[in-house]
Amino acid sequence: DTAVSQTPKYLVTQMGNDKSIKCEQNLGHDTMYWYKQDSKKFLKIMFSYNNKELIINETVPNRFSPKSPDKAHLNLHINSLELGDSAVYFCASSQERAPLHFGNGTRLTVT
Amino acid sequence: GQQLNQSPQSMFIQEGEDVSMNCTSSSIFNTWLWYKQDPGEGPVLLIALYKAGELTSNGRLTAQFGITRKDSFLNISASIPSDVGIYFCAGLNPGSARQLTFGSGTQLTVLP
Repeated sequence: DTAVSQTPKYLVTQMGNDKSIKCEQNLGHDTMYWYKQDSKKFLKIMFSYNNKELIINETVPNRFSPKSPDKAHLNLHINSLELGDSAVYFCASSQERAPLHFGNGTRLTVT
Repeated sequence: GQQLNQSPQSMFIQEGEDVSMNCTSSSIFNTWLWYKQDPGEGPVLLIALYKAGELTSNGRLTAQFGITRKDSFLNISASIPSDVGIYFCAGLNPGSARQLTFGSGTQLTVLP
C-alpha cells in the first residue's frame, strides 16, 4: 500500500524519558512534516523537511529534534518528556505544493 | 501562528440533512483544502481548490474557493452516519514555503 506510515501508534511513557517516533512515506514525495494535535484537535505544524533539508521549524522546544536520513523518512526524537507533550503527533508528506497526505498518528501519553 | 476561523465548531444533524461549514481568514490564500478526520486516524483529503471562485464536487461534497481568496465553504448533501468526524479546512498562502494553516475543525455528528 502506498501511504505515510508512522510507529508506534501509541506511546505511554514517564516524565523525563526520551522517546522517538518514526515516519516513512512510499509516495515518492519530496517534503515531509510533523504536526502536533492537541486535546482541542487543533493541528499545528512543528517541522518540515524538503529533500532532507529543514525548511520549517516552528517555535518548538529544543527537546524536539527531527531527523531525516533520506527523503522517505522523517523521525522525531523527544528528550526529557514533559506532561504537556501529551498529544497526537502526525507525520505527513507532500510533493511540491500539492496537498498533504497524513499518517494515522502517534498518541503520546506522558505520565 | 496564523489561524483560520472555522465555523461552526460542532454540529448535530439528522441523517439525510444537508450540512454547511465555512472558513474565513484575514489574509489571502492561493489554495484551500478540506480534510476529514475519523477517530484514531489521520486527516484525509476530501477536496482541493486552487483558483478563486472555483466550485468543486466530490460525490455528496461540494466546496468553493471564495472570490476574495479569504474564505471557503464545504457543503455535504443528504448526510449519512459515516459522515461523522471532524472536518478541517486548510489554506496555503503565497510564499508560505508549503506551510498549511489549519482551521480549528468542525465536529459533525449525524443522528439516525
